[in-house]
Amino acid sequence: AQSVTQLGSHVSVSEGALVLLRCNYSSSVPPYLFWYVQYPNQGLQLLLKYTTGATLVKGINGFEAEFKKSETSFHLTKPSAHMSDAAEYFCAVSDLKTGSARQLTFGSGTQLTVLP
Amino acid sequence: EAGVTQFPSHSVIEKGQTVTLRCDPISGHDNLYWYRRVMGKEIKFLLHFVKESKQDESGMPNNRFLAERTGGTYSTLKVQPAELEDSGVYFCASSRTRNTEAFFGQGTRLTVV
Repeated sequence: AQSVTQLGSHVSVSEGALVLLRCNYSSSVPPYLFWYVQYPNQGLQLLLKYTTGATLVKGINGFEAEFKKSETSFHLTKPSAHMSDAAEYFCAVSDLKTGSARQLTFGSGTQLTVLP
Repeated sequence: EAGVTQFPSHSVIEKGQTVTLRCDPISGHDNLYWYRRVMGKEIKFLLHFVKESKQDESGMPNNRFLAERTGGTYSTLKVQPAELEDSGVYFCASSRTRNTEAFFGQGTRLTVV
């Protein structure tokens, strides 16, 4: 069985500050890892994903995440927060090589607030 | 290209009533998925269609939920009769194949009072 833990259901940062959203997973097989974002009144949008290869993954809007197998973590970061980054972020894991949507297990989400 | 569209965006119904949610996937996407997020909890898988066939419905909570995808195009998810614990956000996603990225709709927020 696989699971995802997102530490902190709410995170607040100042505009221009570092964004760090934490995600830890458990999986019995090598995982595929994802970060999704949901802006107000919009659907879930894929930010980035790790499948194989380089452990530092770059996504859209300046976000990146690093897969650390030894720590079973896939934390999401952005060097400088922008007001438009305010949204809810979901970490997800898939334990099939296909990484299909069927096998996605989501975390409970982190609401990011960006303060002016 | 239009994205995944869900109707309605919000629905408020009384306990015991029936509600039908609709999902229009991206054109040409054979795979369609339903997910649900109960208040404050994680998003959970409900079921997966490949064209008009139910590939996996292991996440459906009980027999009050009925999903259909007649003709392999749009899908409906009916809740009958609705209970308070059915409140949440219902997401639909579609993908061209099982192995390609799934695109999510904006969700339907269902409130049962």
